[in-house]
Amino acid sequence: GAVVSQHPSWVICKSGTSVKIECRSLDFQATTMFWYRQFPKQSLMLMATSNEGSKATYEQGVEKDKFLINHASLTLSTLTVTSAHPEDSSFYICSARQLSSRDTQYFGPGTRLTVL
Amino acid sequence: SQKIEQNSEALNIQEGKTATLTCNYTNYSPAYLQWYRQDPGRGPVFLLLIRENEKEKRKERLKVTFDTTLKQSLFHITASQPADSATYLCALPYNTDKLIFGTGTRLQVFP
Repeated sequence: GAVVSQHPSWVICKSGTSVKIECRSLDFQATTMFWYRQFPKQSLMLMATSNEGSKATYEQGVEKDKFLINHASLTLSTLTVTSAHPEDSSFYICSARQLSSRDTQYFGPGTRLTVL
Repeated sequence: SQKIEQNSEALNIQEGKTATLTCNYTNYSPAYLQWYRQDPGRGPVFLLLIRENEKEKRKERLKVTFDTTLKQSLFHITASQPADSATYLCALPYNTDKLIFGTGTRLQVFP
């Protein structure tokens, strides 16, 4: 149980284009989903927290107009990287949390974004 | 601000030995601490959670200790196997159960 999927697993795009990444909780309802970014040999850095049906809360230094997050249902959150640039190339990981278990996050497999 | 430190150098041990990884934190009194495993190109996988009132927790070949005085957690893998080779991350909660992660320690178990 508690499986989280991400799609796509990897994506390559041209600079200036937008990319959408999906995060789904497959067998539970996720009241909260988190989006992280991880650069090579670095730690996971939280970008934003999204609660179903409300606006996402972004961490300091993360541009909300560049990283659009939508959490329209209890099983799906999307992250759209708008006008992507090479410096946005990274490993993006989502996690999901149930209301009944606030101290446990279930992580997706990650999406490798490469911007040319 | 909160800071988490894990040994950034890789830990190389022989199969069958016990691996011990360290997580230190400062400026902080977390209610619990978590350990994750991360394989290359994959998301973290939850292993264990230990609460501030617990000194030790075990799960199969894994053992975690939590010393709130030293502000340190130790993560042990007994009878290590090559399949245990991965990066191990510790994570602490902040601001209503958000997580801050350490940089991880890479473990390599060789036959």
